[in-house]
Amino acid sequence: ETGVTQSPTHLIKTRGQQVTLRCSSQSGHNTVSWYQQALGQGPQFIFQYYREEENGRGNFPPRFSGLQFPNYSSELNVNALELDDSALYLCASNPSLGTGGPLGYNEQFFGPGTRLTVL
Amino acid sequence: AQKVTQAQTEISVVEKEDVTLDCVYETRDTTYYLFWYKQPPSGELVFLIRRNSFDEQNEISGRYSWNFQKSTSSFNFTITASQVVDSAVYFCALSEASIQGAQKLVFGQGTRLTINP
Repeated sequence: ETGVTQSPTHLIKTRGQQVTLRCSSQSGHNTVSWYQQALGQGPQFIFQYYREEENGRGNFPPRFSGLQFPNYSSELNVNALELDDSALYLCASNPSLGTGGPLGYNEQFFGPGTRLTVL
Repeated sequence: AQKVTQAQTEISVVEKEDVTLDCVYETRDTTYYLFWYKQPPSGELVFLIRRNSFDEQNEISGRYSWNFQKSTSSFNFTITASQVVDSAVYFCALSEASIQGAQKLVFGQGTRLTINP
């Protein structure tokens, strides 16, 4: 186990609703990334948070938003849910950017994911 | 733009056979990092290996080995004497080095490996 936890495990919502997913990073990690993994696909980068600020974003619309808290835990919020938002949402943490090696070097430690179903 | 291609969608072999998972990547950076992750049915991605673009030495870890060839932009993964517990989806991923900004992983589509007893 990586020490990254996510809640809830599963969630069912209807189109148009809003959802909040939660992630606790591994101890000592202050960088958290979120990925969306559709069925049969590889994970797609949503965004990354570093020291409570968004540090980069993938090709996702603004209705995907996030927060990072002082304890480095994080939330992913999705508004106006669409059917295509059904996926496994993975949270990953890694050590502080630039420590342990140059940026890009550190492996990311993934949580078990939250499976979101939108009906 | 970065891209990772895993052309093999599914592979099925009998236990104890050797199996190679292919990975081809595209990047314009000269410094980058390649990763392999394993995703068992539980869903959690498990880190297997990291390689940087300046280190083309092959690596062996038990029954696992990795062949990095910069000339062909490939980073292939071989499991020797496969076991049923190796059954999972395997992802190859690329991360570019950057001075600032997000460290994001770009994943391939994954290869579903089934080891039959």
